[in-house]
Amino acid sequence: ETGVTQSPTHLIKTRGQQVTLRCSSQSGHNTVSWYQQALGQGPQFIFQYYREEENGRGNFPPRFSGLQFPNYSSELNVNALELDDSALYLCASSIDSGANVLTFGAGSRLTVL
Amino acid sequence: SQQGEEDPQALSIQEGENATMNCSYKTSINNLQWYRQNSGRGLVHLILIRSNEREKHSGRLRVTLDTSKKSSSLLITASRAADTASYFCATDAQDDKIIFGKGTRLHILP
Repeated sequence: ETGVTQSPTHLIKTRGQQVTLRCSSQSGHNTVSWYQQALGQGPQFIFQYYREEENGRGNFPPRFSGLQFPNYSSELNVNALELDDSALYLCASSIDSGANVLTFGAGSRLTVL
Repeated sequence: SQQGEEDPQALSIQEGENATMNCSYKTSINNLQWYRQNSGRGLVHLILIRSNEREKHSGRLRVTLDTSKKSSSLLITASRAADTASYFCATDAQDDKIIFGKGTRLHILP
């Protein structure tokens, strides 16, 4: 049984660029949630995908978008990057969309210059 | 938005001592979870307590929940150097999404 894997682990972008982060969920999990964690802060909920549909969204602008694929892997896309988007992006998978235990990946650290 | 808020923000104790962290939240919940995060890595689930439970144990961890006060505490007994990490409480907000607090940074001194 594999855990949650995220790629890339680190990346550097400049303001205005676009970025795609990828996540493979744990075997048997059909729900993926994405979180943004700024340095020294708690994870902030971006959105959740359940069976390929967005199933809840936090307080993030539309330039944050996502996808979930039939194999339950997921992508997070951020357009028009801003300096404040610099953070650790965490993907977590779970069984179903309810308030279940989350299994996290190691994260993708994005630096925007 | 943050649903839970941990207290203290930071805590340093000697190895072998007990560490207690508190979490307060704002709205009613179905369950509350605690997670640990080692420096800049992914979070690891520690324990889940349901709203109809008052106390739960897992190894050296003891969690209490007081729904009337909208608060929870995490006790780590006989702390070890490996317990150095950030600890987050997480609650299910509306629509059952898991929302995290800002965390307590625990440092175990040798």
